[in-house]
Amino acid sequence: GDSVTQMEGPVTLSEEAFLTINCTYTATGYPSLFWYVQYPGEGLQLLLKATKADDKGSNKGFEATYRKETTSFHLEKGSVQVSDSAVYFCALSSYNLDNTDKLIFGTGTRLQVFP
Amino acid sequence: ETGVTQSPTHLIKTRGQQVTLRCSSQSGHNTVSWYQQALGQGPQFIFQYYREEENGRGNFPPRFSGLQFPNYSSELNVNALELDDSALYLCASSARDRGAFFGQGTRLTVV
Repeated sequence: GDSVTQMEGPVTLSEEAFLTINCTYTATGYPSLFWYVQYPGEGLQLLLKATKADDKGSNKGFEATYRKETTSFHLEKGSVQVSDSAVYFCALSSYNLDNTDKLIFGTGTRLQVFP
Repeated sequence: ETGVTQSPTHLIKTRGQQVTLRCSSQSGHNTVSWYQQALGQGPQFIFQYYREEENGRGNFPPRFSGLQFPNYSSELNVNALELDDSALYLCASSARDRGAFFGQGTRLTVV
């Protein structure tokens, strides 16, 4: 079945460092891809998305490019801030035969940014 | 900006009891999905409702059931609670290809 694999955390960085969180996926169809962020004690917030190959999603300085040839959707940010400390989830969404649009999540990667 | 709200935010129940969690969806979204997030894990899909009918289900037993109302709000019911049901329960409302917008979740603890 469809699945998402993320790099394990925690990822620990100093403020203003470059961030990469790797995400690869397995899917039988043509999924949409998402990054969600979860701050402590909160639900998930949609960070960015891409709906087809070669699309680049971006938001708040974060970017990710939908790479069909490598089945990847790596999250990057050029200069992280302490306020970016959170858990980041990669997810895919594909339509099943019953027209269910469900999200399949990776296990999450915790990012810790220190001043 | 999410308009999805869930209640209650925290809940403690005893094993064997029943619980009802509530969710109001974002305006204009007619699809609601429920997810279970165990500690340190990614959310797992429970089921989805579209226009008041169940429209797909994950690998959860029948004691997990739900409803969607004409205003697209939704309930998740869990009967015969087990200790392993302790988790954060997330509701998400969505429209096709726009991504799902999540509420802040209900933290359920079963003792």
